[in-house]
Formats: sequence, C-alpha cells, structure tokens
Amino acid sequence: AQSVTQLGSHVSVSEGALVLLRCNYSSSVPPYLFWYVQYPNQGLQLLLKYTSAATLVKGINGFEAEFKKSETSFHLTKPSAHMSDAAEYFCAVSAGGYSTLTFGKGTMLLVSP
Amino acid sequence: DGGITQSPKYLFRKEGQNVTLSCEQNLNHDAMYWYRQDPGQGLRLIYYSQIVNDFQKGDIAEGYSVSREKKESFPLTVTSAQKNPTAFYLCASSRGLQWSEPETQYFGPGTRLLVL
Repeated sequence: AQSVTQLGSHVSVSEGALVLLRCNYSSSVPPYLFWYVQYPNQGLQLLLKYTSAATLVKGINGFEAEFKKSETSFHLTKPSAHMSDAAEYFCAVSAGGYSTLTFGKGTMLLVSP
Repeated sequence: DGGITQSPKYLFRKEGQNVTLSCEQNLNHDAMYWYRQDPGQGLRLIYYSQIVNDFQKGDIAEGYSVSREKKESFPLTVTSAQKNPTAFYLCASSRGLQWSEPETQYFGPGTRLLVL
C-alpha cells in the first residue's frame, strides 16, 4: 500500500520569498514521486517527477524537489515566489509497474505582494 | 495539438438521473483514468482502463460506470446510485501501466457536476 501526506492545506508566502511545500510518503517498495500543479478550475499539470535517476529533481517554472529516503520526504521548493505561482499543489506516489497514482490532499499556495 | 478534452465544462443533474461525462484524447495513449476531486480531499481514483474493452475499479467506483470501446474515448456515467455526485471530475491518460517506470499522466480541463 502507498500513501502521501501533505503537511499544511494552505501555505502563505510573500512575493520573492522561499516556497516550501512538504510531502511525506509511505510505500512498501521504492517509490516514484510526482508533483502536480492545478490552477483554478483547470486540470493538473506535471511540475516534476522522481524516478530514481537523481535525488534532486528540477522541474518547470523554477521548482525543484529533493528525494530523501531516510526521511521519506519529497518536499517541493522554489527560491523566490512569484504571484503566478498561486495555485494548488499535489504530491503523488506510485510503486511503478501496474500501480496507479495515489495523490495527497493538496496544498494551496497563496502569494501576497 | 495533442491533448485531452472533457465535455461539458459544467453539468447539472436532477435527482434520480444518470449523466455521462465525456473524455477524449488524441495522444495515442493506452491508459485512461477518471478521478473525482472534492475540496480538501485531493484526487480519488474512480475507474481506470489500461486497454480497449478492459477497465478496473478504483478506490471509489460505487455509483459510477465506464466503457472503453475506443482507444481515444473513456466516458464516465454517474448513476442515480451515486448519492453525492457534486464534485469536479478529471480525466487523465498516460502511455500505459506496463512500463517499469510509471508514465506521466496528462489531465483534461475537468467537468464540474452539480445537482439541482
């Protein structure tokens, strides 16, 4: 069984500040991990994914995430928030093969000027 | 442009009525998925299909039905047995589930279902 916990349903930052969105996973096998972003009333768009090639994964729009096996974490960061980053972010885990994705409950990122 | 289309954008259901949500993809993907999204609940898998004429129940299949007669189409029917259908429904597709590494899922724009 696999699961994802996203700490904080809402995170507020000022424009230009560091963005840190937390994701912890549980998986009985080495996981594959994803971060998706959703803008209001739209579908999800892939930001980045971890597939065991490198523990630090760079994605689109300046986001990156680091896989830490010892902490079972895959936190998403961005050095400097932009107003356009305001959206809901979802972490997801898969065991690979025939496994489907399991999503976290999401974190809403609010960016203030 | 390749992508996933969902229609309609908004759908209204009367009590006791079945409604069907459309999902079409032109990405030549084998696998397709239906998710339900409720505020604060994340995405929950309703049904998925790895190949034409085959589909599997997800975590919350009760009150829903699907068909996969064509590779590019995966319609979802919300039946009258689904007592709380108000939600945002997302369709997705991926190259397939048979690869050792999970393929990226691509999402449609969603359909919002409301009950009258």
